[in-house]
Amino acid sequence: DTEVTQTPKHLVMGMTNKKSLKCEQHMGHRAMYWYKQKAKKPPELMFVYSYEKLSINESVPSRFSPECPNSSLLNLHLHALQPEDSALYLCASSGNSDRPRSPVYGYTFGSGTRLTVV
Amino acid sequence: GENVEQHPSTLSVQEGDSAVIKCTYSDSASNYFPWYKQELGKGPQLIIDIRSNVGEKKDQRIAVTLNKTAKHFSLHITETQPEDSAVYFCAARWGFQKLVFGTGTRLLVSP
Repeated sequence: DTEVTQTPKHLVMGMTNKKSLKCEQHMGHRAMYWYKQKAKKPPELMFVYSYEKLSINESVPSRFSPECPNSSLLNLHLHALQPEDSALYLCASSGNSDRPRSPVYGYTFGSGTRLTVV
Repeated sequence: GENVEQHPSTLSVQEGDSAVIKCTYSDSASNYFPWYKQELGKGPQLIIDIRSNVGEKKDQRIAVTLNKTAKHFSLHITETQPEDSAVYFCAARWGFQKLVFGTGTRLLVSP
């Protein structure tokens, strides 16, 4: 299995709703990522988990809350979002190293969740 | 800060021509440079990557060159086909894990 699977593919939510995005990989990768991509823009890093611990938070607002329940799963909990948060949210994974602080290669991206906040 | 510049932003070629996309990065410590192809409605797909200890890498019609001194790297696609039409992103890795993307190039290959 060489895929990163994201669900749902599309999500419409109101500004008072709570929802979650899910990501799963079975490649044995120990680093997982959330990226946000606005239309006609490159992906922008939000969070990095390494060995199930949050290692990078790119100053993301607290209305986005990541969670890594185990080495194969990554969630992004959403609460009180704004319309400007509408975007494609991409999950990625990388690296089979057995050492937490070693360089990783071969980032694999999922197809993303298209989020619309109304 | 971490910055990757990419040019051109759009590129139109005729089928069979070559296409070249260029990127410049700001951090001389970067040592991993992947290229991604993104089609409409899909996530980025890795098409080729290069590490800093290599100057050039080729995979069929796709090649990447790296000039670490100048902090430049380029993607070369030969014998382009209509199915090569997509948005292409270069990227550079900062530290162990942080991957930063260039601004993207929309490639259009006309039959």
